[in-house]
Amino acid sequence: AQTVTQSQPEMSVQEAETVTLSCTYDTSENNYYLFWYKQPPSRQMILVIRQEAYKQQNATENRFSVNFQKAAKSFSLKISDSQLGDTAMYFCAFMGLRANSKLTFGKGITLSVRP
Amino acid sequence: DAGVTQSPTHLIKTRGQQVTLRCSPKSGHDTVSWYQQALGQGPQFIFQYYEEEERQRGNFPDRFSGHQFPNYSSELNVNALLLGDSALYLCASSLAFYGYTFGSGTRLTVV
Repeated sequence: AQTVTQSQPEMSVQEAETVTLSCTYDTSENNYYLFWYKQPPSRQMILVIRQEAYKQQNATENRFSVNFQKAAKSFSLKISDSQLGDTAMYFCAFMGLRANSKLTFGKGITLSVRP
Repeated sequence: DAGVTQSPTHLIKTRGQQVTLRCSPKSGHDTVSWYQQALGQGPQFIFQYYEEEERQRGNFPDRFSGHQFPNYSSELNVNALLLGDSALYLCASSLAFYGYTFGSGTRLTVV
């Protein structure tokens, strides 16, 4: 079974600064997907970024980038130029390679962006 | 293009009652998964439906059951509600490897 660990319960960052959210996971699989989801007060889970484990290059989506360390089973999210709208809960999630595999989530981290 | 639609948005039930939650998947998606998210926690996988059959199931008791209809919409049923069933119930639809789209959830409160 896979596990996803997010050890930081909450973080705070000043607007326009950079923040890094940590995530570690455990799996015996060699190929899989990793995700960061954002959940604002509206409750809807919004996909932030996705990483395929077989790709060595770290994924980037505008202000969001990841540091994927496969050997260490680490998957951190860096948010650059933080904006007030980034305030939300962030969840790290694991998915196996089979089509429609279930998502396994971490407990999440509450990020607050200060004006 | 509508995303995933869940109803109702909020619900209050009494312990021991039964509840049905509904989900309409994103257009073009054929698979529906349900997750339970307790307050301050990450979502936990309940089960997944494809071609009107339960394909995967998480570690939830038989009180949790579901159904998928020919139009791919789905229902989640919970019998004999317990206080611990109070949570946000999220529906997610998907198509093969194209990733999941989530609805805004149903907030269930059991009193």
